[in-house]
Amino acid sequence: AQKITQTQPGMFVQEKEAVTLDCTYDTSDQSYGLFWYKQPSSGEMIFLIYQGSYDEQNATEGRYSLNFQKARKSANLVISASQLGDSAMYFCAMRSFSGGGADGLTFGKGTHLIIQP
Amino acid sequence: EAEVAQSPRYKITEKSQAVAFWCDPISGHATLYWYRQILGQGPELLVQFQDESVVDDSQLPKDRFSAERLKGVDSTLKIQPAELGDSAMYLCASSPVATGFYGYTFGSGTRLTVV
Repeated sequence: AQKITQTQPGMFVQEKEAVTLDCTYDTSDQSYGLFWYKQPSSGEMIFLIYQGSYDEQNATEGRYSLNFQKARKSANLVISASQLGDSAMYFCAMRSFSGGGADGLTFGKGTHLIIQP
Repeated sequence: EAEVAQSPRYKITEKSQAVAFWCDPISGHATLYWYRQILGQGPELLVQFQDESVVDDSQLPKDRFSAERLKGVDSTLKIQPAELGDSAMYLCASSPVATGFYGYTFGSGTRLTVV
């Protein structure tokens, strides 16, 4: 069974500072993918960044980067130069490529990030 | 930009009543997912379709929940009878293929309140 753990229920960060959101995962699969999503109060899930288990370099997408440490089974999201609009829930999720076609995401409980001016 | 359409956006129903949610995935997306998100938690997968076939419904409470995707396009999720604990956000997502990296696209969800 897969499990995602996000240990920070909430975080307050000053605008323009960098922020790291923690995510650890547990899986017995060798091939898997890790995702981060942002969920504003309106409810939609917005894809931020993806890291494959065999990717040698950490993923980056604009102000978002993923600090992937495979041996530690961690996939922390780093947001540089935070903005007020970054205030939202952030979810770490994992998909396994174990075959059989079933590949739904397993999500963590999320971190509520609040950016303060 | 293509979107996953869901309706209704909000639904209030009394317990023991039947309720249904509709999802129209992005055109051409073969795989469709229904997730349930209880307030304060992450989404959990209820059912996955590949075209019109169910690939995974291991977490679907089959005594009261049903899902169908008859023509492999849009999908309906039904709850009968609804219980207070079913109050949650129901999210639909779609993707173009069943394997490999691809972007899941989520709809805006249906927020269900059971009273």
